[in-house]
Amino acid sequence: AQKVTQAQTEISVVEKEDVTLDCVYETRDTTYYLFWYKQPPSGELVFLIRRNSFDEQNEISGRYSWNFQKSTSSFNFTITASQVVDSAVYFCALTPNRDDKIIFGKGTRLHILP
Amino acid sequence: NAGVTQTPKFRILKIGQSMTLQCTQDMNHNYMYWYRQDPGMGLKLIYYSVGAGITDKGEVPNGYNVSRSTTEDFPLRLELAAPSQTSVYFCASSYDRARNTEAFFGQGTRLTVV
Repeated sequence: AQKVTQAQTEISVVEKEDVTLDCVYETRDTTYYLFWYKQPPSGELVFLIRRNSFDEQNEISGRYSWNFQKSTSSFNFTITASQVVDSAVYFCALTPNRDDKIIFGKGTRLHILP
Repeated sequence: NAGVTQTPKFRILKIGQSMTLQCTQDMNHNYMYWYRQDPGMGLKLIYYSVGAGITDKGEVPNGYNVSRSTTEDFPLRLELAAPSQTSVYFCASSYDRARNTEAFFGQGTRLTVV
């Protein structure tokens, strides 16, 4: 089965706290691609990161960081020193190598409280 | 840059009516997608296209039709609307296959069928 699970439906943290969004995936393919997208209140989805299955290096971009672990089939996303503008729904997604479809998780709604 | 433009933004349909959701992109992308987003359910692929004249079914194609006569346009047709089609619809495009690149999303069309 090809599947993405985001077990956290909704998270609330106080501004400046760190928060980690979990993503677990399932795929039969040995080559695959993982993504994170952000959906702010305005509605459109905005691309954050793409990672292929051969690259297990963690990535940091400003306050955002991603931890990819093939051993646990996880691709977690951490926001450091959260800000109110980080409030959004965050989607983890998977594209198997043989496919042109993007398989999305159900999303995690993140509330950053001032 | 306009990016991906969807019209209309909101629409209320009566059961059995038909309508076309418009999607246009100005980035000369070959790949285009239609998703629906139901509350708490992530995004599900309806149809996609890898180029003008080529379309294929996604995960939930029943009740919908698409065409791709030009690179820029990818309209989604609903025939005989049903309450189960109440959802937010997103059009997206990418210059390469989904696995290789980010997708750009429109702002969505919120459709209610009553």
